[in-house]
Amino acid sequence: DTGVSQDPRHKITKRGQNVTFRCDPISEHNRLYWYRQTLGQGPEFLTYFQNEAQLEKSRLLSDRFSAERPKGSFSTLEIQRTEQGDSAMYLCASSLALGGHQETQYFGPGTRLLVL
Amino acid sequence: AQSVAQPEDQVNVAEGNPLTVKCTYSVSGNPYLFWYVQYPNRGLQFLLKYITGDNLVKGSYGFEAEFNKSQTSFHLKKPSALVSDSALYFCAVRDIGQAGTALIFGKGTTLSVSS
Repeated sequence: DTGVSQDPRHKITKRGQNVTFRCDPISEHNRLYWYRQTLGQGPEFLTYFQNEAQLEKSRLLSDRFSAERPKGSFSTLEIQRTEQGDSAMYLCASSLALGGHQETQYFGPGTRLLVL
Repeated sequence: AQSVAQPEDQVNVAEGNPLTVKCTYSVSGNPYLFWYVQYPNRGLQFLLKYITGDNLVKGSYGFEAEFNKSQTSFHLKKPSALVSDSALYFCAVRDIGQAGTALIFGKGTTLSVSS
């Protein structure tokens, strides 16, 4: 399967702990996105990369959140000092952009985070 | 500000009947419009998109959607529903006129197809 993969699929942590999620995009996709989805809501944009450059961050991305895509391939999303309000599904998507913003984003299965 | 509205939390149809899942949008410029489907504990699967051209867009699994600029709508349709179509459907928009590439999603509509 050559789709977007995410690891882990599930994470349970205690409040105050740090967590890190990984996303592997579709091979050769140059854009990578992170979204957060809470129960009963649609996904909300967090941040995106074009190759290794982080080009846009949502105001939802507080200082406790950091994302990297060091070699323009996989990406990590770290949440420091987790809070119960961070409990959500974290979705990664990738796309092949050839100019403009009309390309389709393909989503991974998500990482479900539960903060106790 | 960009926004998407899916006015129905749930749509119920009988197998074999046509289905419609409604979506309206608000953007300052011209929109790119997308439909995705989500099965339980899964990510989103792309169904179809409208970029430009023919207002009727055909996508995966027999779904289609019609772009109506005057009504700012992009309703998802299928002529004959299957039980396996039961899932959560999301409409999303990207405003061509705005900087940034994020998709703005609606809250989703649960489609339930009964046998």
